[in-house]
Amino acid sequence: AQSVAQPEDQVNVAEGNPLTVKCTYSVSGNPYLFWYVQYPNRGLQFLLKYITGDNLVKGSYGFEAEFNKSQTSFHLKKPSALVSDSALYFCAVRGSYKLSFGAGTTVTVRA
Amino acid sequence: DAGVIQSPRHEVTEMGQEVTLRCKPISGHDYLFWYRQTMMRGLELLIYFNNNVPIDDSGMPEDRFSAKMPNASFSTLKIQPSEPRDSAVYFCASSETLNTGELFFGEGSRLTVL
Repeated sequence: AQSVAQPEDQVNVAEGNPLTVKCTYSVSGNPYLFWYVQYPNRGLQFLLKYITGDNLVKGSYGFEAEFNKSQTSFHLKKPSALVSDSALYFCAVRGSYKLSFGAGTTVTVRA
Repeated sequence: DAGVIQSPRHEVTEMGQEVTLRCKPISGHDYLFWYRQTMMRGLELLIYFNNNVPIDDSGMPEDRFSAKMPNASFSTLKIQPSEPRDSAVYFCASSETLNTGELFFGEGSRLTVL
């Protein structure tokens, strides 16, 4: 079986501060890992993915994520958060089975 | 490309009525997915198609739900009869590949069954 855990329902940060959204996964075989963002009343938008290669992946809007195989983690990071980054963030993993999404983390960036 | 297009954006209906949700995937994408999003259950995969053929429908909750893809540019998700517990946002997504390709989501269809 495969699963994704996003341990924090909510993350609150001040604008300009670093933002981290945590994700851990469980999967058999090599994991394919994804981050998506959802703004209110919109569909999910792809941010970045890890398939193979460099453990640090850079994506859209200044976001990056680091794949850590030993800790089975794929945390999303942004060095300096913006108010416009406030949204719902989903981590997803695909192993040998279908794509599994985490429950989501609501990020609020205060001005 | 205009992206994945879904209709209607909002649907309010009464219990027992038939509901049909529509989706136009991105041209050239071989995979089409139907997801349901609720507060209680999060994102659930209902069914996905490859080259218009249903591959995995194990997520379809019950026989009241059916999905078709008559051609590469159109898919429908039908609920008949609808029940209040079907109230949710239904998303259609498409991708070029299955394992490594990212999903492109539509804006969703918000269904309310009274």
